[in-house]
Amino acid sequence: DTAVSQTPKYLVTQMGNDKSIKCEQNLGHDTMYWYKQDSKKFLKIMFSYNNKELIINETVPNRFSPKSPDKAHLNLHINSLELGDSAVYFCASSQRLAGEGDTQYFGPGTRLTVL
Amino acid sequence: AQSVTQLDSQVPVFEEAPVELRCNYSSSVSVYLFWYVQYPNQGLQLLLKYLSGSTLVKGINGFEAEFNKSQTSFHLRKPSVHISDTAEYFCAVSRTGGGNKLTFGTGTQLKVEL
Repeated sequence: DTAVSQTPKYLVTQMGNDKSIKCEQNLGHDTMYWYKQDSKKFLKIMFSYNNKELIINETVPNRFSPKSPDKAHLNLHINSLELGDSAVYFCASSQRLAGEGDTQYFGPGTRLTVL
Repeated sequence: AQSVTQLDSQVPVFEEAPVELRCNYSSSVSVYLFWYVQYPNQGLQLLLKYLSGSTLVKGINGFEAEFNKSQTSFHLRKPSVHISDTAEYFCAVSRTGGGNKLTFGTGTQLKVEL
């Protein structure tokens, strides 16, 4: 059973389109995250959600919006896609509410290519 | 704010040789330290972490790391590497009171050769 899953694995789209990436975790964790990995493999946190409440919101364009229907899911919506949005997006989860030091479990990633 | 420096972007090493991947951090408050591994086209997997207590931390796949507060370092070591250890390795920190936000280093590509 996959602990943290993401769909789709690959996403190719045109500039200006709106797209969503879905994430689900079956670990029963309370906190979920979105990270962006650029072409140089640098990883940066975008958001974290804690029991459907936004906890961390880094300096991310407001074209990016996380949506959490329940604590097992954290989807990422991106509006008006730009070339610079091309990256690999990782979802992650950790066990506790504001569990400092808790291990984060990562999904396999979604490679987004904007043409 | 905290930051992480991984000075070596690439480390080539022969199979069965020892390896050390360097990580230095900067923070004005106490931190937790992590090493993650990313195999090609996969997500990240935790190798080990330091929260408190013994400064020598043992992880999966024979890796270990030592927390050195005075040198603000958390170097990763393995006494004998295998071809399957070829991957990208990321050092990361989170600070106390930071909501478990991870700040990553730029990664070190470990390439194990025969």
